[in-house]
Amino acid sequence: AQSVTQLDSHVSVSEGTPVLLRCNYSSSYSPSLFWYVQHPNKGLQLLLKYTSAATLVKGINGFEAEFKKSETSFHLTKPSAHMSDAAEYFCVVSGLIQGAQKLVFGQGTRLTINP
Amino acid sequence: DTEVTQTPKHLVMGMTNKKSLKCEQHMGHRAMYWYKQKAKKPPELMFVYSYEKLSINESVPSRFSPECPNSSLLNLHLHALQPEDSALYLCASSQDPGRGRETQYFGPGTRLLVL
Repeated sequence: AQSVTQLDSHVSVSEGTPVLLRCNYSSSYSPSLFWYVQHPNKGLQLLLKYTSAATLVKGINGFEAEFKKSETSFHLTKPSAHMSDAAEYFCVVSGLIQGAQKLVFGQGTRLTINP
Repeated sequence: DTEVTQTPKHLVMGMTNKKSLKCEQHMGHRAMYWYKQKAKKPPELMFVYSYEKLSINESVPSRFSPECPNSSLLNLHLHALQPEDSALYLCASSQDPGRGRETQYFGPGTRLLVL
């Protein structure tokens, strides 16, 4: 079975400081991992995706994530936070079940940016 | 273009009403999904369509009835809903139903309120 744990339900940082959102996963095989962002009253937007190519994945809006198999982690980082980054972030692992793709979501991390 | 569109954006309905949610994509994707998202929670999978056939029903009550008229359209018919069905309903699509590593692209959602 696959699972995802987002270690922080809420992260608060000041504008211009680094962002770290933590995610640990469990998977019985080489996983596909995603980070999605959801702004208030909006749908989910893909930030980045890991599918067993490079372990450091670059995404949109300056975000990146590093896949660490030994630590079963896929943490999301950004060097300098912007006010527009305030949103809910979901770490997701994907698998094939009953011949169809199923996404397993973490519980989400709410990112607050202080001016 | 990675756009999934959903209509309507907002819907208010009584418990005796019949209404439908509509989802459309023109990316040539052959898998389409319905999710339900309650406030401050991750999305929960409801249905998966692969090549216009229902492949997964996550034990959703029969008052929700999905329909896939063609490869670009996905509907969710609603009848006799309960107030606890109030939520954000998200549609998503992905390219290849038979692979577990595909990116799912989400629409903006329909915010449903059942009175």
